[in-house]
Amino acid sequence: DADVTQTPRNRITKTGKRIMLECSQTKGHDRMYWYRQDPGLGLQLIYYSFDVKDINKGEISDGYSVSRQAQAKFSLSLESAIPNQTALYFCATALGGGPDTQYFGPGTRLTVL
Amino acid sequence: GQQVMQIPQYQHVQEGEDFTTYCNSSTTLSNIQWYKQRPGGHPVFLIQLVKSGEVKKQKRLTFQFGEAKKNSSLHITATQTTDVGTYFCAPTSGGSYIPTFGRGTSLIVHP
Repeated sequence: DADVTQTPRNRITKTGKRIMLECSQTKGHDRMYWYRQDPGLGLQLIYYSFDVKDINKGEISDGYSVSRQAQAKFSLSLESAIPNQTALYFCATALGGGPDTQYFGPGTRLTVL
Repeated sequence: GQQVMQIPQYQHVQEGEDFTTYCNSSTTLSNIQWYKQRPGGHPVFLIQLVKSGEVKKQKRLTFQFGEAKKNSSLHITATQTTDVGTYFCAPTSGGSYIPTFGRGTSLIVHP
């Protein structure tokens, strides 16, 4: 869905570096999510936000932080990247008001050397 | 947290054969969603099931929600190469609206 964009699409970095992944949406959705995908492990929820002033930890938030700069923008930061954070990262949005049908961005492939 | 098991992890089929993936939960579910992720792509919403025993169809895809709302299945009739991808179930339970994704079943269709 072009309505949800992620930058960068690919990133290679070194251990200890600070990395920010950005997500923008034009769907007008209040809810935004960050997921991590590792082969064979499905999608694991890192953080989610129901509106600009609401930030919640997901199941694997350690080592990550987020910022909801506006309704349309939700960024994920790795303060000090480590190799086991090498993964595919997806941002998703949902309208809210019921069970969340999620709309995913194209993903960011992050490699930490 | 909610435990969701999806089986099988992988399935190889010849084009034209049927395919089924199962999603089993240890707890009663409020609803369940299914997503498809093509190789190199992102998950895309397919359908949501809410009612006990519900059955929904999308062309060759049939989705079922168990009577006890603890399991669900996705069945594809006469697979095609365009069906290749990973299928995820994503249920919600309790008062949460956030789906929990299973590990997925990867479907490989051989022409």
